[in-house]
This record gives sequence, C-alpha cells and structure tokens, in this order.
Amino acid sequence: DQQVKQNSPSLSVQEGRISILNCDYTNSMFDYFLWYKKYPAEGPTFLISISSIKDKNEDGRFTVFLNKSAKHLSLHIVPSQPGDSAVYFCAASVVEDDKIIFGKGTRLHILP
Amino acid sequence: GAGVSQSPRYKVAKRGQDVALRCDPISGHVSLFWYQQALGQGPEFLTYFQNEAQLDKSGLPSDRFFAERPEGSVSTLKIQRTQQEDSAVYLCASSLGGRRLDYEQYFGPGTRLTVT
Repeated sequence: DQQVKQNSPSLSVQEGRISILNCDYTNSMFDYFLWYKKYPAEGPTFLISISSIKDKNEDGRFTVFLNKSAKHLSLHIVPSQPGDSAVYFCAASVVEDDKIIFGKGTRLHILP
Repeated sequence: GAGVSQSPRYKVAKRGQDVALRCDPISGHVSLFWYQQALGQGPEFLTYFQNEAQLDKSGLPSDRFFAERPEGSVSTLKIQRTQQEDSAVYLCASSLGGRRLDYEQYFGPGTRLTVT
C-alpha cells in the first residue's frame, strides 16, 4: 500500500508558466514533507521541505503548500524554466524517524 | 566539491553471484543511508548508519542483503546469491547530523545493478 502517492506520472508546462505538482499521503503520522528533484543518471537532490506545523513554505521560485485535512501537498514552480525539466519526488516522514517514504515521482517537461 | 560517490556505477551480475556496492559519503557526515530504486518507482529505504553503528536495517528485503560501515565512513552494501528481482538502482545518501530529518540528505548517483 503506497503511503505517498503521486498520481501524475508526467506533466508538461510551457516555459514561464506555473508548474504544479501534486502529492497525496495516507499516513496521518507523517509530520515532515520533502520534495526532491532528479536528473537522469544523478541522485535525487533536495529541493524544499515543510513541517506539518506550517501550511506554506517558499524558497525562491519554489513554494510547497500543505493541506493536512486533505492529506495533500503541492509544489509550485513559478516561473517554470527549461532547467526545471526533471523527475520530482514527493517524500514524507515522521521527523524523529530516519526513514523517508518516497512517491513514484512525476516527470516534468518544460516546453519552449 | 566532493559529493557522495558510489562505485561501480553499473554492475551486471549473473543470477546467483555475490555483489558488493561501495559508497563514499561526504567527509564528516555522520549519517549514511542506503535506498533501492526499482524501475518506475521512488527510492525505498534499506538501512541507516550513524557513524559505524547500523541503527536501522528494517528495509533490507532479505537476509541476502548485508551492509556495513566499519570505520564510520565508507559503506558497502553486499548482496549474496543475486536474484533477478534485485535488479534496481542502489542509492546511497549521507547527512551531516544525527537521526533527525532536519539534516538534509545528499544522494550519490547510484549503482545500477542488472541481474541476468
């Protein structure tokens, strides 16, 4: 049973527009959420995180929104740039634990 | 700068062979993690070390999988009697601090294992 779900395997967005990547989770014990970005033949790179005590965290062009009642989080990228084309993984954990539970990823294509 | 390195980058093994995958974490990083990423899936946790101590091995899929970090730096993931279902990318990550997840994990490029 997948505890972290990314239901869109891929997403295409015009350069300069907003990219919205969605993620749902089932475990109500999760209290820390992360987004990772992965280019081919490289390991995942940490992008942004959010604690469950917040509903929004912003870092430059990247904003993560958390809706605890819906068990849903989203990553907004504004404006989208060609270098943003990558696979994005949503991940979650209990902050005192050592495991990160990853979703299957969403491949983002930024179109020129 | 020196990030996490893994070797070999690619490994082809015949079913039944033993393999050893190496991870060189960032110097000074206390924590080291191993993940398995099957095709089309996200990384799945295998095991966690804090210095030389293996604090969590709950993700290791069978007793054919063994990991060690004897001096608290380099780690080796060993898979005995490889099976086809072991084919995956094996990712290593390290982080500066202890157990808490507010220490960012830095990933290596992974070792792609193909068992034929």
